[in-house]
Amino acid sequence: DVKVTQSSRYLVKRTGEKVFLECVQDMDHENMFWYRQDPGLGLRLIYFSYDVKMKEKGDIPEGYSVSREKKERFSLILESASTNQTSMYLCASSLRGRNSPLHFGNGTRLTVT
Amino acid sequence: RKEVEQDPGPFNVPEGATVAFNCTYSNSASQSFFWYRQDCRKEPKLLMSVYSSGNEDGRFTAQLNRASQYISLLIRDSKLSDSATYLCVVRGAASGSARQLTFGSGTQLTVLP
Repeated sequence: DVKVTQSSRYLVKRTGEKVFLECVQDMDHENMFWYRQDPGLGLRLIYFSYDVKMKEKGDIPEGYSVSREKKERFSLILESASTNQTSMYLCASSLRGRNSPLHFGNGTRLTVT
Repeated sequence: RKEVEQDPGPFNVPEGATVAFNCTYSNSASQSFFWYRQDCRKEPKLLMSVYSSGNEDGRFTAQLNRASQYISLLIRDSKLSDSATYLCVVRGAASGSARQLTFGSGTQLTVLP
């Protein structure tokens, strides 16, 4: 079974803080993703990575950066947290093949006050 | 027109009922299709991939209609535990690109005792 682990289930941070969200997968997947999910807006792609040190912007990258130094780990960084970044953050991984589904971590619910 | 559209529901059905959801997609070059379920405040979990010839997994049947550009999910003999939001996911033609993954906004199902 694929396991995608996100380091925190709940986080509360203050405006302006630098926030790190960590994600680790144990199935040697090439692709890793960060999404945020908000009521009425569905899942929106922030960044993804298809290999170590490789990254591509998703649909809403502003205010975020990512790091993938090792294949199993993909970090999302909020450089200066703002209240509009309060959301559920979901990490996912998949194999490279076109028919490969995403496997999600259990999410981090971030509140920025 | 949204790339992937789902009826948001809610669908409220009695236990034992048969219920069907449709999901339409706009990109005729779409290659891969999936159904996920998401419980309240949890991560999406893969329910099943959708194959061209249609496929079944227990009480769940998925169908693909390329001519009309929709996929469907049929749940027979619904259980209380089937209550969840069902997301359809469509992947476009560009191999390996996460940008080509599009999530529907989900259909909410409640199975009533």
